[in-house]
Formats: sequence, structure tokens, C-alpha cells
Amino acid sequence: GAGVSQTPSNKVTEKGKYVELRCDPISGHTALYWYRQSLGQGPEFLIYFQGTGAADDSGLPNDRFFAVRPEGSVSTLKIQRTERGDSAVYLCASSLLGGMNTEAFFGQGTRLTVV
Amino acid sequence: AQTVTQSQPEMSVQEAETVTLSCTYDTSESNYYLFWYKQPPSRQMILVIRQEAYKQQNATENRFSVNFQKAAKSFSLKISDSQLGDTAMYFCAFCPLGYNTDKLIFGTGTRLQVFP
Repeated sequence: GAGVSQTPSNKVTEKGKYVELRCDPISGHTALYWYRQSLGQGPEFLIYFQGTGAADDSGLPNDRFFAVRPEGSVSTLKIQRTERGDSAVYLCASSLLGGMNTEAFFGQGTRLTVV
Repeated sequence: AQTVTQSQPEMSVQEAETVTLSCTYDTSESNYYLFWYKQPPSRQMILVIRQEAYKQQNATENRFSVNFQKAAKSFSLKISDSQLGDTAMYFCAFCPLGYNTDKLIFGTGTRLQVFP
């Protein structure tokens, strides 16, 4: 596609439920990133994929959060047993090769609300 | 710990005027990148400008320029000839090099309002 696509745009779920957030990166981009942006804050790093593998998952807050990228393209962020504190905008970005000398392009995010 | 501080929660400027947004950061690294991102209400983060720490020359992109002071760990953004479309949240971000990661560390943002 022309840009990074994230679905759904908005998701409301009940506390304790399981959710999946999807990211379609720009075609051919090998690097993919997930960030979480809480209200009034800057984005906070969650995980970085290079191809199919997670090169850095140090930002995942706990074991309820998991992300996959099985074919090196689409990625899914999975959250188990959601809590109200998980409410945030989840942003995905991709770049051609990774590395800070290539631009990362962001999607419009998924706004997750846990009620 | 590596942190980014934006001390101006909100700024306003009249159309065609110049405005400067402040950013300071804390790191023990000597090699890193600094960025300014714009986030309009659509939520999509858009890269405005990028600076490599080993380059002494300040980066410029059309109406946007930075004042990079490495010793002071300061990285301010100047927007000249402000336009209504510049209204958005602006985030300063930092990325250390030399690690097997590309993670960006963001500040808390400055909300810029451009008035006609």
C-alpha cells in the first residue's frame, strides 16, 4: 500500500478481554516498530522487528503483551487480559532497512479503550 | 537513563511569524540521532527534521531549522513563516546508536497553535 495501515482505527473492549491490533507496513519495508501513546504523553517504544524476528522487545510492559510478524510483513500486537491502563493509542511504523539514516513512516494508530 | 524533556506544553504564534520550540535531552552516549516529529489530529507522526549528533552543522528543511547545541544537550526547532497547517503537536525524539535497536525516545510534546 501507499502508507502504513493500522486496523482497526478504534477498538473498545471490556476489561479482561483479549485484543489483536494489526499493522500493514509499507511494501518492502523490513523494519517494523510498535509504540504506545498514552493520553498527553509522547509515544513509548514497545518492540522492533527486523524481518520476522524481534530485534528488541525491551519495551513490552509485561507478559500480557506479545507481537508477531510471521512472514516479515504484517504484524499483530496481541494483548491478553486487558486492563484499563492499557487504554492508549498504539502506533506502528516501518522503514526500508531500519537504522536511523532511513526514515520511519508511521500509521495513524489504533485507539484502544478498555472499559 | 536517557530522557527527552520538552518544557513548553503549549505555544502559539501568528501566521507568518517565527516560533521556536525547545527540547533538551540527557544521555551519556556520544553518537546518536535527534528528531522532530509533527502529530496532527489524524494521529500520524510525520518526520519534520533529523540531526546526526556528529554533524556540527544545523539541519534545515525549508521553513524548519534546528539549533543543535551538543554540549548543552539542547535541540530546539525553529519554524519560520508559520502557516495554519503547522498547527499540531510537536515531539522531540532521540535515538542512541551502537545498540542493536532503533528505538526512539520521545518527549511529552508541545502543542503549537498557529493563529491567522
